[in-house]
Amino acid sequence: KAGVTQTPRYLIKTRGQQVTLSCSPISGHRSVSWYQQTPGQGLQFLFEYFSETQRNKGNFPGRFSGRQFSNSRSEMNVSTLELGDSALYLCASSLGTLNEQFFGPGTRLTVL
Amino acid sequence: QQQVKQSPQSLIVQKGGISIINCAYENTAFDYFPWYQQFPGKGPALLIAIRPDVSEKKEGRFTISFNKSAKQFSLHIMDSQPGDSATYFCAASKSGNTGKLIFGQGTTLQVKP
Repeated sequence: KAGVTQTPRYLIKTRGQQVTLSCSPISGHRSVSWYQQTPGQGLQFLFEYFSETQRNKGNFPGRFSGRQFSNSRSEMNVSTLELGDSALYLCASSLGTLNEQFFGPGTRLTVL
Repeated sequence: QQQVKQSPQSLIVQKGGISIINCAYENTAFDYFPWYQQFPGKGPALLIAIRPDVSEKKEGRFTISFNKSAKQFSLHIMDSQPGDSATYFCAASKSGNTGKLIFGQGTTLQVKP
């Protein structure tokens, strides 16, 4: 069974731009969660989508948004990028009924 | 507000030794406590998880000990190997927020040959 895939793996943007990251969950998984990982703040929850609906949201500004499609694939978007948005963005999927989340390899975003 | 506190920040253990990482949580509504292992350049991988109805869970060389009254849980790695060198994260979540994990700050483990 294929794992969680994330594209692209690496991304370089400049301040003020926007970016879209993509996540394909494990087949059959309906829940997709997004996390931001930085050396200073560690792993922080961004939001979770289940059956195309946002089910949970973390404490991030409105510049961070996401969506989920009918095939459970998810995208997250960050608008008006800031230097502090440089991070590893991780996507995790689960069946939705259990809490076992399986993570993808992440997208490394660098904002210059 | 940090809801899950993890210690130590870094740990050096000799091959064959026992590695112990501790976590403490604040929210008594948490009822699911997983541990993740992360290697450089990779996403976190689920190692082992426990729920409050048991005090200990063992899978191979990895054991979680859980103390509900103290709101603490720990990971023990027996017979530590150089291949165990990685960053370990504890996490917690509660029923109803199944997709929202609150992570500890991580422990970087180095196992010396």
